[in-house]
Amino acid sequence: QSALTQPRSVSGSPGQSVTISCTGTSSDVGGYVYVSWYQQHPGKAPILIIYEVNKRPSGVPDRFSGSKSGNTASLTVSGLQAEDEADYYCSSYAGGNNLGVFGTGTKVTVL
Amino acid sequence: EVQLLESGGGLVQPGGSLRLSCAASGFTFSRYAMGWVRQTPGEGLEWVSGISGGGDSTYYADSVKGRFTISRDNPKNTLYLEMNSLRAEDTAVYYCAKDLLYTPSITFDHWGQGTLVTVSS
Repeated sequence: QSALTQPRSVSGSPGQSVTISCTGTSSDVGGYVYVSWYQQHPGKAPILIIYEVNKRPSGVPDRFSGSKSGNTASLTVSGLQAEDEADYYCSSYAGGNNLGVFGTGTKVTVL
Repeated sequence: EVQLLESGGGLVQPGGSLRLSCAASGFTFSRYAMGWVRQTPGEGLEWVSGISGGGDSTYYADSVKGRFTISRDNPKNTLYLEMNSLRAEDTAVYYCAKDLLYTPSITFDHWGQGTLVTVSS
C-alpha cells in the first residue's frame, strides 16, 4: 500500500485560507468514507481534526473543513491563525488486510 | 477522560524482540478497535496494525506482517504489540491509538504519547 500523496508544504498569512490535497486511488480515498485528517505539532501526538471526509470532532474549530472528489480529499483551513502552524496528515481506510494508509504529510507555515 | 499510556520501548539489537503495551482508561475498552501507528524521527506516520474490539480480527501492514503480532486483554484494558525479527527500519516512535468504531476504520480519535523503539547494534 503506497502512502497517499500530499504537498510537502503550504503557507499563508494570518486570516487567509489554505487547502491541502490528499491523493490516493479508488482502493482507498476514492472507495471509502473513512478519510481523516490529523494535526501534529512538533514533539506531540497527532490530533484528529476531520473524520469521515467532512465531520469535525467536538472542540475542533469550524475553520477546519474537509471534502472529497474522486480519489482526492482536501482539507481547508480558513482564517489561518498562528497556532495552525503544524504538520497535517490525511489517512484512509483501504480494505483488505493492509487496512490503513497515511498521507506523506504537509507542513503548514503561517507567514 | 480518555488516556492511553504506552510502555515497553527501548534499544534492541537487529533480530531482537520487544513487546509494547498500551494501558487504556476513561472509556469502555472492549467496545472499540485499537491500532498501532509509528513515526520515524522527522518523517511521516505509518499505520502498523489494528485489532477489533473483541480481538477476533487483526490486521497488519505489509512491512510488519509475519514479524509483529497485535493482541488485547480486554479485562485488563491493555493493548499489546509483540515485535520480533526487528530491523533498523523499524526504528520509530510507536503510538497506540483508539479507533472511533468497534471494527477498525483507521479513524483514531485518541492517541498515546508514544514510545521510542530503536533498533541498532
